[in-house]
Amino acid sequence: AQTVTQSQPEMSVQEAETVTLSCTYDTSESDYYLFWYKQPPSRQMILVIRQEAYKQQNATENRFSVNFQKAAKSFSLKISDSQLGDAAMYFCGTGGTSYGKLTFGQGTILTVHP
Amino acid sequence: DADVTQTPRNRITKTGKRIMLECSQTKGHDRMYWYRQDPGLGLRLIYYSFDVKDINKGEISDGYSVSRQAQAKFSLSLESAIPNQTALYFCATSDFQGSTDTQYFGPGTRLTVL
Repeated sequence: AQTVTQSQPEMSVQEAETVTLSCTYDTSESDYYLFWYKQPPSRQMILVIRQEAYKQQNATENRFSVNFQKAAKSFSLKISDSQLGDAAMYFCGTGGTSYGKLTFGQGTILTVHP
Repeated sequence: DADVTQTPRNRITKTGKRIMLECSQTKGHDRMYWYRQDPGLGLRLIYYSFDVKDINKGEISDGYSVSRQAQAKFSLSLESAIPNQTALYFCATSDFQGSTDTQYFGPGTRLTVL
């Protein structure tokens, strides 16, 4: 079984600043991956970044990077040089690599102030 | 054109009515999923299908049924809708290859049950 916890219901950041969204997880899978999806007001789910658990190097995608602490079961998302278009709901989650079922956290609403 | 489409995009219905939500995809993926999103709960898996003949219950399947009419089509039915089924519903697809199983989401259906 998997559980994912996002302890920050809401976060805010000034444009051009950096913000970190927190996520902790638990899983019974030995082979799994973690991800962050973004949901803007259009409600479309957009994959931001993913990380296979067996990889030690933290994943990065342009201004988005993760801090993956496997022993602590922590998977935070850092957004650098925040832009107005980053304003959205962000979901952390995990899935097993042997099957497709995903488990999502509760979501964090990110507001970006100009 | 969108790779994963859902119809309708919005629907208001009354308690006790039968409702069908449809999902179509042009990505050629074998795997398809139905999730519901509720405030504060994230996305939860209702049903999933790994091919036309393989359908499985997710964590919250009670009150729902599905039909996989073809590789490209996966429908979700509410046989007798009730108000607590008011939610945002997402269809997703994935194409598992090795250890990679990224899910691609449709635009969502906002369902309101009065």
